Amino acid sequence: AQTVTQSQPEMSVQEAETVTLSCTYDTSESDYYLFWYKQPPSRQMILVIRQEAYKQQNATENRFSVNFQKAAKSFSLKISDSQLGDAAMYFCAYRGSSYGKLTFGQGTILTVHP
Amino acid sequence: DADVTQTPRNRITKTGKRIMLECSQTKGHDRMYWYRQDPGLGLRLIYYSFDVKDINKGEISDGYSVSRQAQAKFSLSLESAIPNQTALYFCATSAPTGTRSYNEQFFGPGTRLTVL
Repeated sequence: AQTVTQSQPEMSVQEAETVTLSCTYDTSESDYYLFWYKQPPSRQMILVIRQEAYKQQNATENRFSVNFQKAAKSFSLKISDSQLGDAAMYFCAYRGSSYGKLTFGQGTILTVHP
Repeated sequence: DADVTQTPRNRITKTGKRIMLECSQTKGHDRMYWYRQDPGLGLRLIYYSFDVKDINKGEISDGYSVSRQAQAKFSLSLESAIPNQTALYFCATSAPTGTRSYNEQFFGPGTRLTVL
């Protein structure tokens, strides 16, 4: 069974600075997808970024980028120029080939200080 | 906008009561999922359905049942609620394999359930 681990329960960053959230996963599959979701206090799950395992290039979406290390099974999220609106719970998630279900990590609470 | 909706948004109930959480979607997706979120555990899959005639258990299905009344509706029931079912519940949808956005799941706004 696949597992996803987020080892940082909480992180904090100063506004305009950069922060990196860590995620590791365990799988025996070669074809899969990885995601970062943001959950603000509104509870809504918002997709931040996705990475296809077959792509070597790291995904980027504006201020958000990932460092995907397939051999190490590591998938970290970098937030550049942090903004107050980035404060939220962030979940790393894995989607393999079986029925499309997502396996989530425990979550990391990100606080942004003005 | 095509959307995923959940009712109720918040619910407080008592131990032993039967409760139903409802999910509707206008995305036209055939795949629907129910997840439960607990602090420190992330989201875990309860049930999933690929079409009206297909219902499958997830990793934590004990104490829950589901009904897929139509392609757009997927309900989660707690036949006899207990306090450790207090959690945040999410419904999600995804498109079939081979479609453009099949690898993404779209989440509803969540239902906060408290069992006293």
